[in-house]
Amino acid sequence: AQSVTQLDSHVSVSEGTPVLLRCNYSSSYSPSLFWYVQHPNKGLQLLLKYTSAATLVKGINGFEAEFKKSETSFHLTKPSAHMSDAAEYFCVVSDTGGGGTSYGKLTFGQGTILTVHP
Amino acid sequence: NAGVTQTPKFRILKIGQSMTLQCTQDMNHNYMYWYRQDPGMGLKLIYYSVGAGITDKGEVPNGYNVSRSTTEDFPLRLELAAPSQTSVYFCASRTGGWNTIYFGEGSWLTVV
Repeated sequence: AQSVTQLDSHVSVSEGTPVLLRCNYSSSYSPSLFWYVQHPNKGLQLLLKYTSAATLVKGINGFEAEFKKSETSFHLTKPSAHMSDAAEYFCVVSDTGGGGTSYGKLTFGQGTILTVHP
Repeated sequence: NAGVTQTPKFRILKIGQSMTLQCTQDMNHNYMYWYRQDPGMGLKLIYYSVGAGITDKGEVPNGYNVSRSTTEDFPLRLELAAPSQTSVYFCASRTGGWNTIYFGEGSWLTVV
C-alpha cells in the first residue's frame, strides 16, 4: 500500500524568501516520487522526480527535493520565491514493486497552495 | 508528438444523462489513468489500466466505467450523471518503472 501526506495545505512566503513544501510518504516497496505544479485552471506540470539515482533531485525553475528514506520524506525547496511560483503543488508516490517494475498506481497528496507576497 | 489528448475540455450534463470522456495517447504507454480533482482533495484515482484489455478500480470508481481495447485509448464513461460527479477529470499515462507521468489538459464537467 502507498500513501502521501502533504503536511501544509497552505504556505505563504514573501518574494525572495525560501520555500519549503513538506511531503511524507508511505510505500511498501522502493517508491518513485514526483512533485507536480498546477497553476489556476491549468493542467499538471512535472517539477522533478526521484528515481533512486540520487537522493537530492534538481528540477525546473530552481526547485529541488531531497529523498530521506529514514524520515520517509520528500520535501520540496526553493532558495528564493518568485511571484510566478504561486500555484498548487502535489507530491505523488508510486510503488515500484521492489524490482524496478511499477504496480502502476499513482497516489497524490492533497496539495499545498503556495502564495507569494510582493 | 501530441502526448495525452482529452476531449471534451468542457461539458455540462443534466442529471441522469450519460457521456464518455475520451483519452488518447500516442507514446505507446502501457499504463493509463483517470483521476478526478475536487477542491482541497488532491487527485483521486477512478480507474487505471496496465495494458490493453486490463483495467482495475481506483479509490473512487462508483458511477464510472472504463475500457481499454487498444494501447492508445482509455475512455471513461459516466452512467446516470449525478451532481457529485461535477469535477475536473484528468487522464494520464506512463511507461512502467520509474518513468514520468504525462497528463492531459483536463476536462471540466458540470452536472446540473
